[in-house]
Amino acid sequence: GQQVMQIPQYQHVQEGEDFTTYCNSSTTLSNIQWYKQRPGGHPVFLIQLVKSGEVKKQKRLTFQFGEAKKNSSLHITATQTTDVGTYFCAGPRGSGNTGKLIFGQGTTLQVKP
Amino acid sequence: DVKVTQSSRYLVKRTGEKVFLECVQDMDHENMFWYRQDPGLGLRLIYFSYDVKMKEKGDIPEGYSVSREKKERFSLILESASTNQTSMYLCASSFGTRNQPQHFGDGTRLSIL
Repeated sequence: GQQVMQIPQYQHVQEGEDFTTYCNSSTTLSNIQWYKQRPGGHPVFLIQLVKSGEVKKQKRLTFQFGEAKKNSSLHITATQTTDVGTYFCAGPRGSGNTGKLIFGQGTTLQVKP
Repeated sequence: DVKVTQSSRYLVKRTGEKVFLECVQDMDHENMFWYRQDPGLGLRLIYFSYDVKMKEKGDIPEGYSVSREKKERFSLILESASTNQTSMYLCASSFGTRNQPQHFGDGTRLSIL
């Protein structure tokens, strides 16, 4: 069945270091969404990428959608303690227009001050 | 701002009890979802509803049922709670058109003793 995989599962960095999480889909995606879940919180939508090769930035966060629309990455430059949390990628389930998403397992980021 | 409200933040129940988890959204969203979140497994879809009285099974519907009698309310029911249903339960909602982000509630941490 359709799968979305994220690596790494966990990442510990020193504050100021960069961080990247990778998302790979078993199928071509029409779009990919990224969510952030702070410790003790709920997932919060960050961004959506739709076009092949698309790159979007939000301050220190850079999101990329692969040319084949089967992979994506989130890169954080110069991490801060406020970046701590779990980052999920998600893509549409199947080819329908139901709004259902399939989520990756998430990458949990710890930042040492 | 979208508000998705889950009835309980923490809940403790006993094996064999019938458990109701309630979720209400205030944005007139067509879609509502129930997920289960366990460490290392990401967000797994239990049930999905795209309209009043309409529902679809997700990846792990066994042991659960749902009810959507009004557009704003989506209930998850554990027919006979078991210890392996101890988990974090997240409700989400979204508009019915394609590629819409999902908005999550704060979650209910359910313990079955």
